[in-house]
Amino acid sequence: DGGITQSPKYLFRKEGQNVTLSCEQNLNHDAMYWYRQDPGQGLRLIYYSQIVNDFQKGDIAEGYSVSREKKESFPLTVTSAQKNPTAFYLCASSPWTGTEGYTFGSGTRLTVV
Amino acid sequence: GEDVEQSLFLSVREGDSSVINCTYTDSSSTYLYWYKQEPGAGLQLLTYIFSNMDMKQDQRLTVLLNKKDKHLSLRIADTQTGDSAIYFCAEKADNFNKFYFGSGTKLNVKP
Repeated sequence: DGGITQSPKYLFRKEGQNVTLSCEQNLNHDAMYWYRQDPGQGLRLIYYSQIVNDFQKGDIAEGYSVSREKKESFPLTVTSAQKNPTAFYLCASSPWTGTEGYTFGSGTRLTVV
Repeated sequence: GEDVEQSLFLSVREGDSSVINCTYTDSSSTYLYWYKQEPGAGLQLLTYIFSNMDMKQDQRLTVLLNKKDKHLSLRIADTQTGDSAIYFCAEKADNFNKFYFGSGTKLNVKP
């Protein structure tokens, strides 16, 4: 079955560490996205990528980095520069036109300990 | 970014209809969407409506769009306890595939 897989489901980070969240899709979608979800604030766009080897900053990119070396994969690194990283992170993908909406992964909950 | 606004909470009794409202600001939005999020999970697309439509019905779901007032609603008929979730509306920005999401409405269905 086609879908989008995020791993791990839960992640704990110590202060000062970088961590990488995985996102893989087998839907042959061109575009991929990372959102951050905080309670009562909805979804905020971190980064998005339209094609391989290209990506753009979203509304809250500071303290995050991404790569898009393969069409199927769009990993997100939460760096030590991100001051408040505890949140629920959602990856999504869509075809080029996007009119059918996004397909979301099941999310990764990151907690700073 | 664009502003998409929703009320935060809605509580209904099982069997009643639920109406979740959303307002948006981008008059050039071409598509508007409703997503459902269950606890600890990703978002699931429920339905979407093209901006030249006024209404779309899909089984228990009815979407109404008032483009003049930039108001979107989702009506769930015969609401069940399994419908308890957070519902997000989203608009597709005119440029590429950027979507703007509301803050979500938490629907609580009481037995």
